[in-house]
Order: sequence, then C-alpha cells, then structure tokens
Amino acid sequence: GENVEQHPSTLSVQEGDSAVIKCTYSDSASNYFPWYKQELGKRPQLIIDIRSNVGEKKDQRIAVTLNKTAKHFSLHITETQPEDSAVYFCAASPNAGNMLTFGGGTRLMVKP
Amino acid sequence: DVKVTQSSRYLVKRTGEKVFLECVQDMDHENMFWYRQDPGLGLRLIYFSYDVKMKEKGDIPEGYSVSREKKERFSLILESASTNQTSMYLCASSSRGRSSYEQYFGPGTRLTVT
Repeated sequence: GENVEQHPSTLSVQEGDSAVIKCTYSDSASNYFPWYKQELGKRPQLIIDIRSNVGEKKDQRIAVTLNKTAKHFSLHITETQPEDSAVYFCAASPNAGNMLTFGGGTRLMVKP
Repeated sequence: DVKVTQSSRYLVKRTGEKVFLECVQDMDHENMFWYRQDPGLGLRLIYFSYDVKMKEKGDIPEGYSVSREKKERFSLILESASTNQTSMYLCASSSRGRSSYEQYFGPGTRLTVT
C-alpha cells in the first residue's frame, strides 16, 4: 500500500518568515494530494489540495508543489502569522481521495 | 453548514469491554471513515465505508469492526478493548462526487482503556 513520509516533525519560524513542509509518497498511482491543518484541540480541516495533472497550486499565502517524477510534494506558507501555528498533515490517495494515507504530521510554531 | 458529530468526546473503558463509537453526518455523503490519531503517526485509517452495508479495511483494522446500517451513521466497534487501543478516534465523511474530495472530520473521541 501507500506510504507517506513527512518532514520535519516540528518547525519553528519567526512571524513573517516562510515555512516549508515536505512529503514523499511511495505509490506512483497516487493522484490526489491534500493538506490538512489541525489547530490545538480542533478537528483537521482541508486547507489546500492538488491533483496529479498540475504541478503547483496557490491560495493566498499557501502554495503546494508536486513533483511526480520524484514522488514528493511540499506545502509553502509565506508571511507566516501566529494563527498559522498548528499541526499540518499531508496525504496521498490513488483513488481520487476515497482512501487517504496521511503523513506523520508537522507541528508548526510561529513565534511573534 | 457541514456537520460531523461523534457520540462522545471522552470515554474511559476497562480492558475486555466492548466499546461502540458512533459517528453521524448530515451532508448525505456516500463515504465515511474511521481513523485513529497517535502522536508522530498521523491519522491511520481503520475502516472505510463507501455505501450502506459496504466496508473496506484500512491500514490497521485488527481489533476493530464497523457497521453502517444507515447512510448517515457509521459505527466503530472494539470487540474486546485493550490498552493499546487507547487513542484519539476521528470519524470523517466525504462525497463521492468529482468536484471535491474533501474529507470533513468530527471532533474526535479520546478513548482511554485501563
């Protein structure tokens, strides 16, 4: 089955800096790659996703890039703010999101 | 507004007890999921249901079973709870439509088995 590895497990940045979280996946059939954000004590929520037919997607301060050849994808957050502090999970799916395999999570801390 | 609810936020059970966790969604979603969340391991899929009475094993189904008798309700059953099943359990649902694959999560049930 699919295996997703996520790095780093913790990331501390200064407010206003950029943050990058990287994930690799093993199943070349995977075609859908979402990112979920989980604030402390709350449920995970989708923040951005990308399908395998595009290489990059942006939504305001958040962007995701996908390299299918290398089987890795990354989340980029620019101009970080304290409210970006959360645990971020990447995931991959070979069947259009019906079953997701999640990475281990990255705890992002944005220091004011 | 999208809503996924779980029967309990916190649950304490004894080893060997049968445990039922229930999840209800009001979005008419076809797909429903049960995950467990442990620090450093992310969310691991236990079972997935894509229709009433249909189910598929996820990555860690051992020790668990599920039931989906109605479209809106998906139950996770621990036949004989063990201490290694102490965890946070999250339910989720999604549409099988092509426009969005977003999974909507419930608030979670923190289960402690003593």
